[in-house]
Amino acid sequence: QSALTQPASVSGSPGQSITISCTGTSSDVGGYNYVSWYQQHPGKAPKLMIYDVSNRPSGVSNRFSGSKSGNTASLTISGLQAEDEADYYCSSYTSSNTVVFGGGTKLTVL
Amino acid sequence: EVQLLESGGGLVQPGGSLRLSCAASGFTFSNYAMSWVRQAPGKGLEWVSAISGRGGNTYFADSVKGRFTISRDNSKNTLFLQMNSLRAEDTAVFYCAKGFNWMDYYGMDVWGQGTTVTVSS
Repeated sequence: QSALTQPASVSGSPGQSITISCTGTSSDVGGYNYVSWYQQHPGKAPKLMIYDVSNRPSGVSNRFSGSKSGNTASLTISGLQAEDEADYYCSSYTSSNTVVFGGGTKLTVL
Repeated sequence: EVQLLESGGGLVQPGGSLRLSCAASGFTFSNYAMSWVRQAPGKGLEWVSAISGRGGNTYFADSVKGRFTISRDNSKNTLFLQMNSLRAEDTAVFYCAKGFNWMDYYGMDVWGQGTTVTVSS
C-alpha cells in the first residue's frame, strides 16, 4: 500500500488560510469517507483534528475544516495562529482493510 | 481521563523479538478497536496493526504481516504487540491508539505517548 501524497511543506502568515492536500486512489481516499487528519508537534504524539472527511472532534477549533473531492482530501486551516505550526498527516481506510497515512506536511507560520 | 500508556520498548538485535504493551484507562476498553502506529526517526506515521474490541478481528500492514501479532486482554485493559524477526527498518517510536468504536480502527482519537524500539547489533 503506497502512502497518500501530501505536499512536504506549506506556509502562511498569521491570520491567513492554508490548505493541505492529500491524494490517494479509488481504493482509499476516493472509495471511502474515512479520511482523518492529525496534527503532531515535535516530540509529541499525534492529535486527531478531523475524522470522516469533515467532522471535528470535540475541543478542536472550528478554524480546522476538511473536505474531499474524488481521490483528494483537503485540510483547511483558517485564521492561522502560531500554535498551528506543526506536522500534519492525513490517513484513510483502504480496500485491503488497512489504514494508510500520507507522508506528512510541515506547516510553517511565518 | 482517557489515557494510554505504552511500555516494553528497548534495544534488540536484528532477528530478535520484543513485546509491547499498552495500558488503557478512563474508558470501557473492550468497546473500542485499538491500533498500533509507528514513526521511524525523522519520518512520517505508519499504521502497523489493529484489533477489534473483542479481539476477534486483526489487521496488519504488509510490512509486518507474518512477523507481528496483535492481541488484547480486556480483563486487564491492555493491548499487546508481539514483534518477531525484527529488522533495522522496524526501528521507530510505537504508539497505541484508540478507535472510534468496537470495530472502527480507521480513525484514532486518543494516542499514547509512545515507546521506542531500536533494532541494532
